[in-house]
Amino acid sequence: DVKVTQSSRYLVKRTGEKVFLECVQDMDHENMFWYRQDPGLGLRLIYFSYDVKMKEKGDIPEGYSVSREKKERFSLILESASTNQTSMYLCASSWDTSGQPQHFGDGTRLSIL
Amino acid sequence: KNQVEQSPQSLIILEGKNCTLQCNYTVSPFSNLRWYKQDTGRGPVSLTIMTFSENTKSNGRYTATLDADTKQSSLHITASQLSDSASYICVVKRLGNEKLTFGTGTRLTIIP
Repeated sequence: DVKVTQSSRYLVKRTGEKVFLECVQDMDHENMFWYRQDPGLGLRLIYFSYDVKMKEKGDIPEGYSVSREKKERFSLILESASTNQTSMYLCASSWDTSGQPQHFGDGTRLSIL
Repeated sequence: KNQVEQSPQSLIILEGKNCTLQCNYTVSPFSNLRWYKQDTGRGPVSLTIMTFSENTKSNGRYTATLDADTKQSSLHITASQLSDSASYICVVKRLGNEKLTFGTGTRLTIIP
C-alpha cells in the first residue's frame, strides 16, 4: 500500500515563527501536493510539484513556500506564521499525469497562537 | 464560476439503512468526478472516479452515479455500517487546465 506520511499530527507555533511541515511518500510518485482544509471551505490547493525541484502555485500560495529536494519528500514552509494559517494541512501524492491527488496523508493540525 | 455543491451537509441514519448523498456541479468543461471518504482525523481516501461516459460505478457497498447532462452525481451507500461514519467529499476536475474543485462534504453519522 502507498503510504504518505506527515511528520506531525499536531503542531502549535507562535505568530511570526517559521514553520516547516514535512511529507514523505514511499511509492516513487512524481506528483505531490499540499492542501489546507477548513470547515465550510473544502480542500484548497496551496502548492504542487510534478518533479524534483519543480513547483507550481495552487489557488492560495500566499504566505507559503515549498521545497522538493528529493522525489519522496515535499515540505511546506510558512515563512512567518500568522493566526489565519491555523488549519488542517494535508499532503498528497499521485503517479499519473492527471494532476489529481490519489493518496493523502493523515494531516497536520496546525495552530498558530 | 466553477462550483461543487454537496447535500445534505450532514446526515444521521440507523445502521443497516441505505442512504444517498448528492453532488451538483457547474464545472465546465467536465473531465471527471471523484468521491472521497474521510474518516475523522484521517486523510481522504478515494472511493471511485467517474468519467464523462460512465453512468454508474460500484465499489463494494458504495455505488456512484453520474448524469453529465444535468451535472449531478450521487453516492449511494447500501446496508450502512458504523464504519461508514465519515465525511464524503465530491471533487470535479475541469477539462483542459486540470483544475480541481472540491465540495465541502457531507458528514454522515451511522448510529446503532
